[in-house]
Amino acid sequence: AQSVTQPDIHITVSEGASLELRCNYSYGATPYLFWYVQSPGQGLQLLLKYFSGDTLVQGIKGFEAEFKRSQSSFNLRKPSVHWSDAAEYFCAVGRWDKLIFGTGTRLQVFP
Amino acid sequence: GAVVSQHPSRVICKSGTSVKIECRSLDFQATTMFWYRQFPKQSLMLMATSNEGSKATYEQGVEKDKFLINHASLTLSTLTVTSAHPEDSSFYICSAEIAGEETQYFGPGTRLLVL
Repeated sequence: AQSVTQPDIHITVSEGASLELRCNYSYGATPYLFWYVQSPGQGLQLLLKYFSGDTLVQGIKGFEAEFKRSQSSFNLRKPSVHWSDAAEYFCAVGRWDKLIFGTGTRLQVFP
Repeated sequence: GAVVSQHPSRVICKSGTSVKIECRSLDFQATTMFWYRQFPKQSLMLMATSNEGSKATYEQGVEKDKFLINHASLTLSTLTVTSAHPEDSSFYICSAEIAGEETQYFGPGTRLLVL
């Protein structure tokens, strides 16, 4: 069965600390991989995407993600979190027109 | 670039009435648009995919007669919730694809409350 798992429902970090949000998936082939961010009451903003090539992908707002085929993972990282990064983060995998979303990780940032 | 808007952002209606939500791609033409539903503290569930000038493709379990989708132009898709009931209350989000980019760009969402 195809699925996406974001194991951490809620993460709290201090401003300036590093961040890693986990995403694991089960999919028949190598899927397209996306990370989106959603602020409260808002739609989703694309942070980054991976289709092929270099497995380390750079995105907007200082985020990056690494595709690890052997681990079926696509974890999102940021070296230094800002208070404005507080939001809900969604990992999505699959065909670009048939995305499977994870349940999201809510990030809280303390000053 | 890749800005998608939705209107209205919030709507309250009485049970039994119909509500129309618009999704527009502001700075690009969108051959394909998508409609999602998001329940509180849950993920997005794809409802349907619409292609300009053709009938929408609905996901399993989505009532096509209840959720009418029209994609009349390359920049506009509409979702009409017909005879809305309280259980239809939800956050509806649309997305659109820039032709060939194979990436969905999302609108800000519409919160529907049916009383």
